[in-house]
Amino acid sequence: QQPVQSPQAVILREGEDAVINCSSSKALYSVHWYRQKHGEAPVFLMILLKGGEQKGHEKISASFNEKKQQSSLYLTASQLSYSGTYFCGTELDMNRDDKIIFGKGTRLHILP
Amino acid sequence: NAGVTQTPKFQVLKTGQSMTLQCAQDMNHNSMYWYRQDPGMGLRLIYYSASEGTTDKGEVPNGYNVSRLNKREFSLRLESAAPSQTSVYFCASRNREEKLFFGSGTQLSVL
Repeated sequence: QQPVQSPQAVILREGEDAVINCSSSKALYSVHWYRQKHGEAPVFLMILLKGGEQKGHEKISASFNEKKQQSSLYLTASQLSYSGTYFCGTELDMNRDDKIIFGKGTRLHILP
Repeated sequence: NAGVTQTPKFQVLKTGQSMTLQCAQDMNHNSMYWYRQDPGMGLRLIYYSASEGTTDKGEVPNGYNVSRLNKREFSLRLESAAPSQTSVYFCASRNREEKLFFGSGTQLSVL
C-alpha cells in the first residue's frame, strides 16, 4: 500500500523547476504533500481529494490523476528554502478509513 | 494555541524497559496518528485512531500498544523496548479531508 515516489533525490540550481511524482497501485481518495527539513517535523504543502478539490499553499501546485492513481508536485523557480525531503501520503479510496500511508520521500537539494 | 504536544522530546531506554509516549492535541480533531521515522524509510504508520474510542493498526504495529484516552490524547506504549525501536516518533492529528498537524517529535534510543 505504500506509495512510490520518484525520483529518490534531485539536485537543482536556484531558479530551476522540479517535479516530484507519487504513484499508487490502488485507487486513491486523497493525496497529501509535506516537506521536512532535517531535525524538524513535516510541514504541510498540499492536499488533493478525489473529485478535484485542492487545499494548500498558493505558491505550490500539484496534480492528481485519479485514473492513473498518481499525483505530481510542481516546484517552479526553486528557492534555497525549498531544500528538504518531500513526502507524499495517500488514503485509499476503497477504505476511506483515515489511514494515511507515506512514501519513502524525495530528497531535494537546491544549489545557489 | 499549542497544536500537537508530544512528551518527552528525548528518551534513552535499556533493552526490555517500558515507556509511554504521550500526545495531546487542542484542536478538537477526531483522528490521531503515531508514525515512526527511520533514515531512508520515510514515515511509517504504527497505529491510528479515526475517532475517540477506536484504534487501528498501521504498517508497523508489532511491539507497540496505543490508547485513545479521550478525544485530546493518544498515547503510544512500548512494553519491552528493543534496539529496533530506536527511531524518531511523530504524533499527528487532523479532521477528515484536512491536513495533518504534526507534533515536534520524540527521539528515542534503545540501548
